[in-house]
Amino acid sequence: QKEVEQDPGPLSVPEGAIVSLNCTYSNSAFQYFMWYRQYSRKGPELLMYTYSSGNKEDGRFTAQVDKSSKYISLFIRDSQPSDSATYLCAMTRNNDMRFGAGTRLTVKP
Amino acid sequence: NAGVTQTPKFQVLKTGQSMTLQCAQDMNHEYMSWYRQDPGMGLRLIHYSVGAGITDQGEVPNGYNVSRSTTEDFPLRLLSAAPSQTSVYFCASRPQGGTGYGYTFGSGTRLTVV
Repeated sequence: QKEVEQDPGPLSVPEGAIVSLNCTYSNSAFQYFMWYRQYSRKGPELLMYTYSSGNKEDGRFTAQVDKSSKYISLFIRDSQPSDSATYLCAMTRNNDMRFGAGTRLTVKP
Repeated sequence: NAGVTQTPKFQVLKTGQSMTLQCAQDMNHEYMSWYRQDPGMGLRLIHYSVGAGITDQGEVPNGYNVSRSTTEDFPLRLLSAAPSQTSVYFCASRPQGGTGYGYTFGSGTRLTVV
């Protein structure tokens, strides 16, 4: 069993839809939780990071962490075609960062 | 500010050949790491370094060597390339400590071993 599980999709939504991306994890030692966005043939770029359980909002993006359930989510409101990318969840314990497999998202105009 | 620079962008190797993937950052980050990305597997940590002269193994270190003689550079060496090492390799860096653990990634090296 992988330490970090993420549904690879692909996920296709119409423009303007609310997108929900999720990851589960098995190791309670993870401390920081992040979401990265990766465009085709590019390196991942950090979208958001959180430390504690709860919600964190940044524009159209909301990151949610539930440590008791070992579950994290990323919500994208008013999705745009430019949001089409692969979204990777990640989490760290000390110097070790583990990634989910990534969910490929397509937002259709 | 160039960020994290990886060279080469593409490489084809024959089985058994050796090569070095270069990584350089100009942000004075203490922490640097190498990941490989394979379909359905996500990013997996190969080796990392918390500062010059200090390196450690990650999740999938076999077949790879690293060294860190300067803060800026963190090369990855493939000793004897195997087809199983066909992958996209990413170098990443971040400041050591701090309240955020956001990594800055390079644009990747696509390696094919035939």
